Amino acid sequence: GQNIDQPTEMTATEGAIVQINCTYQTSGFNGLFWYQQHAGEAPTFLSYNVLDGLEEKGRFSSFLSRSKGYSYLLLKELQMKDSASYLCAVIKAAGNKLTFGGGTRVLVKP
Amino acid sequence: DAMVIQNPRYQVTQFGKPVTLSCSQTLNHNVMYWYQQKSSQAPKLLFHYYDKDFNNEADTPDNFQSRRPNTSFCFLDIRSPGLGDAAMYLCATSRDPGESEKLFFGSGTQLSVL
Repeated sequence: GQNIDQPTEMTATEGAIVQINCTYQTSGFNGLFWYQQHAGEAPTFLSYNVLDGLEEKGRFSSFLSRSKGYSYLLLKELQMKDSASYLCAVIKAAGNKLTFGGGTRVLVKP
Repeated sequence: DAMVIQNPRYQVTQFGKPVTLSCSQTLNHNVMYWYQQKSSQAPKLLFHYYDKDFNNEADTPDNFQSRRPNTSFCFLDIRSPGLGDAAMYLCATSRDPGESEKLFFGSGTQLSVL
């Protein structure tokens, strides 16, 4: 099976930085995704990490440590529109099935 | 241009009345997935098709069925909806299994059961 843990909720101020941690336990790991999901909408792809290290994409960065079973999503220069749930998801080599964590709801305050 | 299209956006049905949700894709992807997402929970995979091969998750209730008549379309049938089946149903596609492809999600169908 797979266990994917992330905090339930985080609050941050507009313009600040927030780091969302995700830990996972899985066999046959083949990559980790971060998705953003606004209330009542479908998840949208943010990032994909399969090798250790940091991937930077504009205001969003994602980090992976395979040996530690750990990832984080870093959101910089927070904007009000960044208020959403952020889902960590792990994919296994067999079957290409994506398993999601429970999501972290980020609330950005003025 | 929408690539994965789900209809309707909102669906209301009655307890025990069969309902069908639809999904179509213009990406020509081989794999189509159905996820169930209840409020404030993670999306949960129900089943997926790789071409015409149906792959059911072990804990998906028998009440949920799926059809894929061609590459572009996939349907989710709920034979006798219960109150606990009220959720957002997400359709997603990917090019191939065995590759770590990001999934393309539709906008979802929010199902209410009265």
